[in-house]
Amino acid sequence: GAVVSQHPSRVICKSGTSVKIECRSLDFQATTMFWYRQFPKQSLMLMATSNEGSKATYEQGVEKDKFLINHASLTLSTLTVTSAHPEDSSFYICSAPFGVPGNNQPQHFGDGTRLSIL
Amino acid sequence: AQSVAQPEDQVNVAEGNPLTVKCTYSVSGNPYLFWYVQYPNRGLQFLLKYITGDNLVKGSYGFEAEFNKSQTSFHLKKPSALVSDSALYFCAVRAGYSSASKIIFGSGTRLSIRP
Repeated sequence: GAVVSQHPSRVICKSGTSVKIECRSLDFQATTMFWYRQFPKQSLMLMATSNEGSKATYEQGVEKDKFLINHASLTLSTLTVTSAHPEDSSFYICSAPFGVPGNNQPQHFGDGTRLSIL
Repeated sequence: AQSVAQPEDQVNVAEGNPLTVKCTYSVSGNPYLFWYVQYPNRGLQFLLKYITGDNLVKGSYGFEAEFNKSQTSFHLKKPSALVSDSALYFCAVRAGYSSASKIIFGSGTRLSIRP
C-alpha cells in the first residue's frame, strides 16, 4: 500500500488563488521530504527539500515566496502555491525516504497533484 | 556533480520480447542508482536500486538492472515484456550516502509494448 499520501489529487482554480498541497508519510516519520514539479512529457524537477522544524532548502531558480513550504510535523509537509497563475499549472509530486535514513532506503512518492490554473 | 542520461525518449517492443531501457550516470563518488516507473497521472513507483553488492539487481514486476561500473551504465531489463509494462520509466541517481539526499532524475523513457 501507499506509504506517502498526497492530497488533493487535482485542483482547478482561478488565477490569483493560493493553493495548498499536503504530503503525509503514513506510519513512518519523515524528517525530510522533497517537492518536485513535472511538466507534460518531461522529467521531475526538484523544487525544494522540506526539513522538519526548519526552513526548506530551495533549488536554484525556485521562488521561495511563490512556493511556500512548511514541515511542521514529522509526518506532514505542505506546499502552498501563492497567488497562482496559469504558468504555475503543473503536476506536483512529493516524496519521502522510507525508514531509517541510512543508505539502503529508496524514496517513496505520493501520487501527485495536478494543478490547473484558469 | 551527479547526472543521469536516458538516451532514448521512447522504446517500442512487442509483447513477449525482451526489453532494455538504457541509462548512464555520472557521479563523483559511489553511485546510488534507482529505477522508477510512472503511470499516467500518478506518482513514481520504486522498481529497484543499486547501492552495493551484486551487479545484477532484481526488482519488482520481473524487472532487473545491470550495474556496469566501467561503462557507467545501469540499464533496465526484462526478459519478456507485457503490455501492462507500458509506462514512463525514470533512472535516477542519489546525490549522497543518506536516503535523505536528493535524487536527480533522468529525462525519462516511454516504454510502449505492443500486443
